[in-house]
Amino acid sequence: EVQLVESGGGLVQPGGSLRLSCAASGFTFSSYWMSWVRQAPGKGLEWVANIKQDGSEKYYVDSVKGRFTISRDNAKNSLYLQMNSLRAEDTAVYYCASLIVSDAFDIWGQGTMVTVSS
Amino acid sequence: SYVLTQPPSVSVAPGQTARITCGGNNIGSKSVHWYQQKPGQAPVLVVYDDSDRPSGIPERFSGSNSGNTATLTISRVEAGDEADYYCQVWDSSSDHYVFGTGTKVTVL
Repeated sequence: EVQLVESGGGLVQPGGSLRLSCAASGFTFSSYWMSWVRQAPGKGLEWVANIKQDGSEKYYVDSVKGRFTISRDNAKNSLYLQMNSLRAEDTAVYYCASLIVSDAFDIWGQGTMVTVSS
Repeated sequence: SYVLTQPPSVSVAPGQTARITCGGNNIGSKSVHWYQQKPGQAPVLVVYDDSDRPSGIPERFSGSNSGNTATLTISRVEAGDEADYYCQVWDSSSDHYVFGTGTKVTVL
């Protein structure tokens, strides 16, 4: 079964850090670009970052550049998002998603909630 | 940055046809993808590359794209189609992925 499972979310104070993980199974993880997408409470979807198969290319939405770092470990079939200098506006459900078919997000995890609050 | 505009809501009676638009500058030159999201659940891809359906998605879901508007059409609407729908493209000028504002479909 094709599956993505996120973990690592939680409550963190403004200015703090958090590392999200996403475990992939059921497909050849190392062959595809991967992404993080977030959704603030009651709001729409927002692409956050994506990473090439070998990790050599990474792209970020402007609002997280310099604060978030996407990475992957193909040996462990895992995707990561290191989030530093967190702000209240980073509060959201964070989904990992694969880009297998074209440039569409075809497989999604169940999401992990990140709350930034004092 | 590239902007995708959707109507906030669409209402449709069961058995009728729902059409959800996604407006963007010359969107017809891009590949458009559509997602369905039910409350408390992750999004699901229902149409990709303008008009293709992933395995397991009913034929009732179809898409088109031309000029400045892409459209997701849901035929013979069922109560289970009630959800939020988002369009999405990849903007090559910025290497960014862009989502539409989202449309809530209500089945009357």
